[in-house]
Amino acid sequence: EIVMTQSPATLSVSPGERATLSCRASQSVSSNLAWYQQKPGQAPRLLIYGASTRATGIPARFSGSGSGTEFTLTISSLQSEDFAVYYCQQYNNWGPWTFGQGTKVEIK
Amino acid sequence: QVQLVESGGGVVQPGRSLRLSCAASGFTFSSYGMHWVRQAPGKGLEWVAVISYDGSNKYYADSVKGRFTISRDNSKNTLYLQMNSLRAEDTAVYYCAKDSTDDYGDYVPLGYWGQGTLVTVSS
Repeated sequence: EIVMTQSPATLSVSPGERATLSCRASQSVSSNLAWYQQKPGQAPRLLIYGASTRATGIPARFSGSGSGTEFTLTISSLQSEDFAVYYCQQYNNWGPWTFGQGTKVEIK
Repeated sequence: QVQLVESGGGVVQPGRSLRLSCAASGFTFSSYGMHWVRQAPGKGLEWVAVISYDGSNKYYADSVKGRFTISRDNSKNTLYLQMNSLRAEDTAVYYCAKDSTDDYGDYVPLGYWGQGTLVTVSS
C-alpha cells in the first residue's frame, strides 16, 4: 500500500498570505494525485486532480504541482473561506486509493 | 445536478451487520465507478472500496477486506456497502463518491460526494 504523508499537520496563516502544503508518497504515483478541501460538518470537495488540474469551479488561487513522490498545494492569497483541512490522495493503478492524514489551515 | 444520498447508517452492536445505500441521480449512473470513503469521528479520510461502472471490478482497503462488500444496481441507480462482522473501529461517517472524466477524457477521482451517513458500532 502506498503511504501518503502530509506536512505540516497544522499551518497558521494570516488572510491574504500564501499557504504551501506538502504531500509525499512512499513510492511514485506519477501524476495520479488529488487534493481535497474539507470544512467542519461538510463532505470533502475536490480541488485538484492529475497533480495540477483544477476541478470545475475551483478558484485560480489554488494550484497544484509535483510528480512522482513530491507534491505541493499552494493557495496564493488565503481567503476566509479557505480555512479548512486539506487532504491529498493518490490514485495510482486501480486501487487501493490512499489519503494523507490531512493539513489543517488555521487563522494566524 | 449530481446528487448522491446515503442512507442505512445507525447504531449496531459489534459483530453484527449493516447495509448502506447510496441513491444517485443527475447523471448516468451506469457509466461511472463509485467509491465508499469513511471518516471516524475527529479523524481523517479513509478510502474503503471502489466498484467499476459495470460492477465487474472491485477493490477494498485491507482494513475491510473479507468483511465488507461493495455492489451496485444500475437499474436502480444505487450503490451499496454490505458491512459484516462490524467492529468498534468501523465507527465513522460513510460517504459515497463518484468518479468522472473531464472534457479531455482524463480521469477525475471523487469529484462528487454525498453528505454521509453515520455508522456507530457499540454495545
